[in-house]
Amino acid sequence: GAVVSQHPSWVICKSGTSVKIECRSLDFQATTMFWYRQFPKQSLMLMATSNEGSKATYEQGVEKDKFLINHASLTLSTLTVTSAHPEDSSFYICSARRVPTSYEQYFGPGTRLTVT
Amino acid sequence: AQTVTQSQPEMSVQEAETVTLSCTYDTSESDYYLFWYKQPPSRQMILVIRQEAYKQQNATENRFSVNFQKAAKSFSLKISDSQLGDAAMYFCAYRSAISAGNQFYFGTGTSLTVIP
Repeated sequence: GAVVSQHPSWVICKSGTSVKIECRSLDFQATTMFWYRQFPKQSLMLMATSNEGSKATYEQGVEKDKFLINHASLTLSTLTVTSAHPEDSSFYICSARRVPTSYEQYFGPGTRLTVT
Repeated sequence: AQTVTQSQPEMSVQEAETVTLSCTYDTSESDYYLFWYKQPPSRQMILVIRQEAYKQQNATENRFSVNFQKAAKSFSLKISDSQLGDAAMYFCAYRSAISAGNQFYFGTGTSLTVIP
């Protein structure tokens, strides 16, 4: 199967600090990774799409300076929430795609971020 | 942009009975994919079933089947012989097969309760 992991699964940070979330494809190379945000009892909202070795493409309304995405290798993408505030508290999910033309996305288990 | 609508925020079904979850979508494209994802309390997104738009035959996966009506832009999920483990949020999703980026568009979800 295609497994995607996220680390950490749960993080609490203080307001004003930065936190990094890792997304790894464990048994395949991911040319494209996606980052989603999900509020309680709501749907997944796409934040950005990242391709290995290039800059991420952010969705409208997502602050690229606040949510830094780095897709440094074919198995790792990171999301850094900079100067976090309580309103950034949410569930963040990543997904990965093997090849650009693949219809399938493999989802990570998510990371719950709580900003106090 | 494509939109995906799930008009049933909550549904319930008796164990061993059958339930149908509704999904409609709006698109001007002719080639695309449709998916149903399950999100249990663990928050891990699990692919339940997918449908290629060019296929007229409805997809089936064991107890899960879809009723794909392309002209009506409808894509409902039928769960037969419901089990307690089927309780979860169910998201309908659309993905273009032709446009660049190929992001997923998710519906707002249906929370399914299975009554013992």
